[in-house]
Amino acid sequence: QVQLVQSGAEVKKPGASVKVSCKASGYTFTSYGISWVRQAPGQGLEWMGWISAYNGNTNYAQKLQGRVTMTTDTSTSTAYMELRSLRSDDTAVYYCARGMDHFDYWGQGTLVTVSS
Amino acid sequence: EIVMTQSPATLSVSPGERATLSCRASQSVSSNLAWYQQKPGQAPRLLIYGASTRATGIPARFSGSGSGTEFTLTISSLQSEDFAVYYCQQYNNWPPGKTFGQGTKVEIK
Repeated sequence: QVQLVQSGAEVKKPGASVKVSCKASGYTFTSYGISWVRQAPGQGLEWMGWISAYNGNTNYAQKLQGRVTMTTDTSTSTAYMELRSLRSDDTAVYYCARGMDHFDYWGQGTLVTVSS
Repeated sequence: EIVMTQSPATLSVSPGERATLSCRASQSVSSNLAWYQQKPGQAPRLLIYGASTRATGIPARFSGSGSGTEFTLTISSLQSEDFAVYYCQQYNNWPPGKTFGQGTKVEIK
């Protein structure tokens, strides 16, 4: 069965960086892209961007351009999302999800807390 | 950026009743529209894509309709497990970027 398993919760100080991993199993990793979506506490869903697991092409949300980098490691079927220059309003649950347009399988979420 | 607006913000429905949720796009997204269900502490779950195609394993009581700028998710007979927050999401090619609505909470009346 398709599974996306994310890394554990992180606490970071403002200005730091965080890198969240998402290990895929149960399907051919390179046949689908991975998207990242975040959700601030008590808020709605925000699309962050997408990476092709086939060729590494990316498409980032305009508001995060320059601060976010998405990568994949096809040898381990793992996707990564790095967010730099963290601010308090980056505090959120970060989800990886399979797909470029709509998202049919989701990871369990990773809570990233930004606090001094 | 395409703005997605959902209404109402909260919908109070009795079990067994019909629920109708609306989603409006600020410009046409054709049929590039998905619906998700999210329960507290859980990741979202894909219900509908292509405006009206049910995702794998989704019960037939969930149906989607619409195209262009106006979309509807209908739950024909609410079950206890259907009380949750529902989000619409557009994935039109232009302008680039995917956007979600702010969500509709379906609560027990």
